[in-house]
Amino acid sequence: EAGVAQSPRYKIIEKRQSVAFWCNPISGHATLYWYQQILGQGPKLLIQFQNNGVVDDSQLPKDRFSAERLKGVDSTLKIQPAKLEDSAVYLCASRQPGQGETQYFGPGTRLLVL
Amino acid sequence: QKEVEQNSGPLSVPEGAIASLNCTYSDRGSQSFFWYRQYSGKSPELIMFIYSNGDKEDGRFTAQLNKASQYVSLLIRDSQPSDSATYLCAVKPGNYGQNFVFGPGTRLSVLP
Repeated sequence: EAGVAQSPRYKIIEKRQSVAFWCNPISGHATLYWYQQILGQGPKLLIQFQNNGVVDDSQLPKDRFSAERLKGVDSTLKIQPAKLEDSAVYLCASRQPGQGETQYFGPGTRLLVL
Repeated sequence: QKEVEQNSGPLSVPEGAIASLNCTYSDRGSQSFFWYRQYSGKSPELIMFIYSNGDKEDGRFTAQLNKASQYVSLLIRDSQPSDSATYLCAVKPGNYGQNFVFGPGTRLSVLP
């Protein structure tokens, strides 16, 4: 079974530029999460989708971050415009409701904002 | 704000010793507790989860939960250099629909 896929793996941009990250969850997983992990910290949830609906986006900085999961499968997270403090690893995870609480993480996208 | 706290370490133990990793949480109604391992530059991977007070063993790993003290720990027996990683504690608050809160992680170094 293929795991969670993310791209790109690395991205370097200048502040005020925009960037987008892509995630393809494990096949059949209805729940998809985007986390931000700053160096030396634990992952912080940005947004949770159930199929194509948003369940929790309480910690998403909506003035600059947006995310969508239009067909309930792949998801895109966008930052526009980026700030220096957005430098972090962006992790995507998926879970199948009814099969426990385990979340499966992708390899992450490492973003550096200069 | 629900909080999960861990000692950031690094925690250094010799090979073959028992490593003890600790986590405290602020939400008394929390129901589910998870330990993830994260190698440097890699994504977190689940080691164990525990829901009930007491101990839960899986191979060299034992999770211990004490809800009265709001404390969960992970013991690693016969530590190996390959166990060197950051260990993240994650807690699911008691309210329905609330998502995981991760601690900052404890960096473990197992010395050969």
